[in-house]
Amino acid sequence: AQSVTQPDIHITVSEGASLELRCNYSYGATPYLFWYVQSPGQGLQLLLKYFSGDTLVQGIKGFEAEFKRSQSSFNLRKPSVHWSDAAEYFCAVGRISGGYNKLIFGAGTRLAVHP
Amino acid sequence: NAGVTQTPKFQVLKTGQSMTLQCAQDMNHNSMYWYRQDPGMGLRLIYYSASEGTTDKGEVPNGYNVSRLNKREFSLRLESAAPSQTSVYFCASIEGPRGNQPQHFGDGTRLSIL
Repeated sequence: AQSVTQPDIHITVSEGASLELRCNYSYGATPYLFWYVQSPGQGLQLLLKYFSGDTLVQGIKGFEAEFKRSQSSFNLRKPSVHWSDAAEYFCAVGRISGGYNKLIFGAGTRLAVHP
Repeated sequence: NAGVTQTPKFQVLKTGQSMTLQCAQDMNHNSMYWYRQDPGMGLRLIYYSASEGTTDKGEVPNGYNVSRLNKREFSLRLESAAPSQTSVYFCASIEGPRGNQPQHFGDGTRLSIL
């Protein structure tokens, strides 16, 4: 069965520090991978997506993610974190199942940013 | 540019009461979804509608019903609310069935059942 694991429930970083959020997936075929961000009281906003091709993908708000097939990982990175990046981050795998587009979400990583 | 609109944003119910959560999208998307979000569990699919006129159960459908009223609107009904249904509910939509399309989410309905 497909699954997505985000090993870190909470992460705290200082403003200006670099960030890496981990995501591991279990999926037999080539995955479609997504990172979403959820600010407090808001819905989920798409940060970036990977379908094929270049394994390093750029997203909004200065985020990037690297797909590593050998490690079944799709880690999210940002070189310098801003206080406004404090939010919850979700990794997801997309696939077609039973004729519909299905997203499988990880449990999320909550990011806190110290000034 | 509204995207996906959910109403209400907040609701408090008593056990046994019923209510309907509304969702509308203005992107002419074919597929719509209802999720619930609980701490430490990510998002879990309740029901989905692959296209107008069709609905199917997701991962956690018990206690819920849905109606795809037209292409724009997809409602979620709790017939007899239970405390276990206290959650944040998200509606999402997508243009079509291709796996490489991202889903677009509403801002959520925060539901408390006492």
